Amino acid sequence: EAEVAQSPRYKITEKSQAVAFWCDPISGHATLYWYRQILGQGPELLVQFQDESVVDDSQLPKDRFSAERLKGVDSTLKIQPAELGDSAMYLCASSEGLAGMGETQYFGPGTRLLVL
Amino acid sequence: KQEVTQIPAALSVPEGENLVLNCSFTDSAIYNLQWFRQDPGKGLTSLLLIQSSQREQTSGRLNASLDKSSGRSTLYIAASQPGDSATYLCAVTGANNLFFGTGTRLTVIP
Repeated sequence: EAEVAQSPRYKITEKSQAVAFWCDPISGHATLYWYRQILGQGPELLVQFQDESVVDDSQLPKDRFSAERLKGVDSTLKIQPAELGDSAMYLCASSEGLAGMGETQYFGPGTRLLVL
Repeated sequence: KQEVTQIPAALSVPEGENLVLNCSFTDSAIYNLQWFRQDPGKGLTSLLLIQSSQREQTSGRLNASLDKSSGRSTLYIAASQPGDSATYLCAVTGANNLFFGTGTRLTVIP
């Protein structure tokens, strides 16, 4: 069964350093999502792509976070510089159809980030 | 903004017991509602998805109900097993994204 792939699975970094996470959605899925999940809380959407275009990045801290999906397939989320409060699980998800259609989202295993 | 609340935050039950997890949401204009399972340090696994026009969905020992007008959903787990121990999250789909609750951490005691 096709799955959403994420790497790395774990990342430890020092504050002020740059980090990057990668996500490969299920083949053919047009919509890709990045979520942040702080320990003990539910995931919150950071950014949503429809193919290579950003649909919603209203919750993305744009002073330090950036995301791209250049060819409309895989995606990279970057943090520069990392802060202590960025320690969290970063989850990627994808769905088959157009954004805003309420389709099932399939989640990857996540990248756990620890900022020291 | 949509707000999703899950009660209780944590629950411990002996093996074999039936249990109910609760989810409430503030805005009834949703496409669907999903229940997810999350094991410690892992990603999310979708358990059940209920479309806004549906009242319930069943999968094995799991049954989820949806009352959109009152903004409530329940997840019923029958004959609980230790392997059911995990955090259960409900999420409602609005126009563009999912809104998650904070989850219920379930422990099934052998």
